[in-house]
Amino acid sequence: NAGVTQTPKFQVLKTGQSMTLQCAQDMNHEYMSWYRQDPGMGLRLIHYSVGAGITDQGEVPNGYNVSRSTTEDFPLRLLSAAPSQTSVYFCASSYEPGRPNYEQYFGPGTRLTVT
Amino acid sequence: GESVGLHLPTLSVQEGDNSIINCAYSNSASDYFIWYKQESGKGPQFIIDIRSNMDKRQGQRVTVLLNKTVKHLSLQIAATQPGDSAVYFCAESYSGGGADGLTFGKGTHLIIQP
Repeated sequence: NAGVTQTPKFQVLKTGQSMTLQCAQDMNHEYMSWYRQDPGMGLRLIHYSVGAGITDQGEVPNGYNVSRSTTEDFPLRLLSAAPSQTSVYFCASSYEPGRPNYEQYFGPGTRLTVT
Repeated sequence: GESVGLHLPTLSVQEGDNSIINCAYSNSASDYFIWYKQESGKGPQFIIDIRSNMDKRQGQRVTVLLNKTVKHLSLQIAATQPGDSAVYFCAESYSGGGADGLTFGKGTHLIIQP
């Protein structure tokens, strides 16, 4: 298993540009989430999905869109990049919480800089 | 809103000693807690979790203690090794661990002295 993969690893955007951060998992997990991590901060939830076709907003959803057309993929779209979106973005996946072997797996992250 | 916090931003311990990392939470409705380890340049790694119906849970070299009376969570690492150097985050949830419910603390940087 590759686990949770994210592309790209690094990205520089100009203000106003759009882009999609890719996330894929091969563990057949129902739950997938996107977080952002700013320096000296914990992770903040952007959007999440509890299954294909179902998405919902987290703590900081503004400026981001998601879709979940398959169980494996959960792309995050930045509609019009702003310097405030400079951050490290992590994708995570897990089975339904409460299962005996519940564990949330994180990808390696995408480091985004918006100038 | 309510959030999870950590008492110390940096903790320095001698190799071989036990480490204790603390976490305070303020949401009395929280019923699920997780500890993560994040090494430099990597994503967080799940260490151990505990539900509110338990006071203690043990893993390999790690123990999580939950004191609901004072809303306190701790992670104990036995016989600390150089590979334990990382930032440790606690996270809490009030929805039984659902993907929408995790709130992360800011993290404690654990430094291992040789």
